[in-house]
Amino acid sequence: SQTIHQWPATLVQPVGSPLSLECTVEGTSNPNLYWYRQAAGRGLQLLFYSVGIGQISSEVPQNLSASRPQDRQFILSSKKLLLSDSGFYLCAWRGRESGNTIYFGEGSWLTVV
Amino acid sequence: AQTVTQSQPEMSVQEAETVTLSCTYDTSESDYYLFWYKQPPSRQMILVIRQEAYKQQNATENRFSVNFQKAAKSFSLKISDSQLGDAAMYFCAYRNPTSGTYKYIFGTGTRLKVLA
Repeated sequence: SQTIHQWPATLVQPVGSPLSLECTVEGTSNPNLYWYRQAAGRGLQLLFYSVGIGQISSEVPQNLSASRPQDRQFILSSKKLLLSDSGFYLCAWRGRESGNTIYFGEGSWLTVV
Repeated sequence: AQTVTQSQPEMSVQEAETVTLSCTYDTSESDYYLFWYKQPPSRQMILVIRQEAYKQQNATENRFSVNFQKAAKSFSLKISDSQLGDAAMYFCAYRNPTSGTYKYIFGTGTRLKVLA
């Protein structure tokens, strides 16, 4: 079976500090990987998606970046966080085993102070 | 561009009653997939039900069923015999597998409250 994990689950970071959120999928190969952000009381905003190693598509211009150093690893980063980066970040995957369905990780709460 | 609209920010239902959550979408495609996800207080996004546009039969998963009206571009979720555990945010989502963009588009969600 397939599993997806992301960490850390919660973090509080000062403005201007760096960020690294990591997501790993197990039990599948060459998945499509996604990073979404959910601001308080709002829907899901697609930030990045990747269809393969080193292949990243950005949906929203911002100070965030994503990387996919390995087939099942997806990292969300920032060099300098802004207050507006606060929110709930969700990693998700879709693969051969899931058909056209996307499945989500547990999420990471980021508070920028 | 494809869009997904959930016009009900919040809904309430009495325990054991039935509630319907609305979702409309805009697309010029004929082949696509629609989904309902549940987000409980834990914030984990959980798949509730999915519908392939080429299937005329409405999808059903236990107490959850959809009313898929392709011509009207409507995809509502019916929850029967509502339980306290059904209280959550519900998101409608769309995907066009032929677009090549691999994107899933989500609505803004409906918060469902279940009253004991």
